[in-house]
Amino acid sequence: AQKITQTQPGMFVQEKEAVTLDCTYDTSDQSYGLFWYKQPSSGEMIFLIYQGSYDEQNATEGRYSLNFQKARKSANLVISASQLGDSAMYFCAMREGQGGKLIFGQGTELSVKP
Amino acid sequence: SAVISQKPSRDICQRGTSLTIQCQVDSQVTMMFWYRQQPGQSLTLIATANQGSEATYESGFVIDKFPISRPNLTFSTLTVSNMSPEDSSIYLCSGEDGQGGYTFGSGTRLTVV
Repeated sequence: AQKITQTQPGMFVQEKEAVTLDCTYDTSDQSYGLFWYKQPSSGEMIFLIYQGSYDEQNATEGRYSLNFQKARKSANLVISASQLGDSAMYFCAMREGQGGKLIFGQGTELSVKP
Repeated sequence: SAVISQKPSRDICQRGTSLTIQCQVDSQVTMMFWYRQQPGQSLTLIATANQGSEATYESGFVIDKFPISRPNLTFSTLTVSNMSPEDSSIYLCSGEDGQGGYTFGSGTRLTVV
């Protein structure tokens, strides 16, 4: 069965510095997708970045990049130049195959300090 | 990407009553999913809603407690039945657009008293 693990319940980062949020996964499928979402205190889920299992390049979206290490089954999110508005919960999620359900990790609460 | 309107955004309900949550999508989505997020926890999938067929429930969730409707490709409802304080959670719907993208509604923050 697929599984997503985020081992950092909480992280602190100084404003303007970079931070890495860890995510490891387990699946027996060859085709899967990895997602990162941001959830502010309002509760909405904001899509940040996606990495497909067959993608050779690491995904990037503005200040967000995904450090995909397939052999290690890790998909860490890197946020560069942190901003106060980045303070939120961050969830890593995995989809098996195409169009299937998303399974979420436990989440990491990020706090950005001025 | 699709935009999902979810209603109500929050509610306070008496135990023993039921609440129906609605999600309207501005375009057709193939699959819709309903999640529960208990306080301080991650998202747990309740069920997958397919048009024209019964929803597929995850282990620990049953249709009598969480009946779901999916009358067309742009609309779905989740009912939380016979509520107890343990049902106090955020409930989120999500749609898969057929191209690998997932959009979420803004969530329903439910408090049962």
